[in-house]
Amino acid sequence: AQKITQTQPGMFVQEKEAVTLDCTYDTSDQSYGLFWYKQPSSGEMIFLIYQGSYDEQNATEGRYSLNFQKARKSANLVISASQLGDSAMYFCAMRTFVGENTGNQFYFGTGTSLTVIP
Amino acid sequence: DTGVSQNPRHKITKRGQNVTFRCDPISEHNRLYWYRQTLGQGPEFLTYFQNEAQLEKSRLLSDRFSAERPKGSFSTLEIQRTEQGDSAMYLCASSRRLAGGNEQFFGPGTRLTVL
Repeated sequence: AQKITQTQPGMFVQEKEAVTLDCTYDTSDQSYGLFWYKQPSSGEMIFLIYQGSYDEQNATEGRYSLNFQKARKSANLVISASQLGDSAMYFCAMRTFVGENTGNQFYFGTGTSLTVIP
Repeated sequence: DTGVSQNPRHKITKRGQNVTFRCDPISEHNRLYWYRQTLGQGPEFLTYFQNEAQLEKSRLLSDRFSAERPKGSFSTLEIQRTEQGDSAMYLCASSRRLAGGNEQFFGPGTRLTVL
C-alpha cells in the first residue's frame, strides 16, 4: 500500500525563522518521487520541490530544501527565512513509477497548515 | 496560455443530475490527472491519462464517474446521478514526460456543490 503521513495539522513560525514540516511515506517500490506542494487560501496547488528516490543529495530550491532520509522513509520540507506569504497549506506527495506507461499515481498527505507570525 | 485551465470554476447542481467538467492542460504536456479534494484533505487521485489513453483509474472511483481525453489534449470528467457526497473540489493537473521530477501543474479547480 502507498501512504503519505503528515503528522502536523498546524504549525506556527516567526517571520524570518526556519521551519520544518514533517512527511513520512510508505512504499514497497524502489523507484518513486517525493514532492511538496503549497496551497494558499486561494486554492491553487503550487509545486515547490522534488526528490527522486535515487537522488543522493537533498533537493534544494531557493528557500526550500528537502531533508530526505531514505532509510527512515522521511522527506521533511525545510523553509528557511520564513515570510508572511509562506502562510498556506503544505502537502507532501509521492509518485510511484512501476513502469513507463503504468503505475504513475500520485498520493498526497493530509497537509500541514503553516502560519507565519510577524 | 501558460497554465492549466478548468471550466466551470463553480458548479451547483441538484442530486441526481449529471455534470461535466473540462480541463485544458498545458499544451506540450502529454500527461493529465484528475483529483478530488474535500475540505481539510489532500487531493485524492481519480484517474490518469497519457495522451488519449486512460492508463490508471482509482479503485475508489464509482462507475458514475467517467473521464475522457479524446484527442490527447483537453479532458472531460463526467459525474452521472450526482450525490451529495460528490461535493468537492475537482482538480486537474498536467505534466510532461521527463526523466526527472514529472512535476504536476495544477489548474484552479472546479468546485462542485450537490444540493
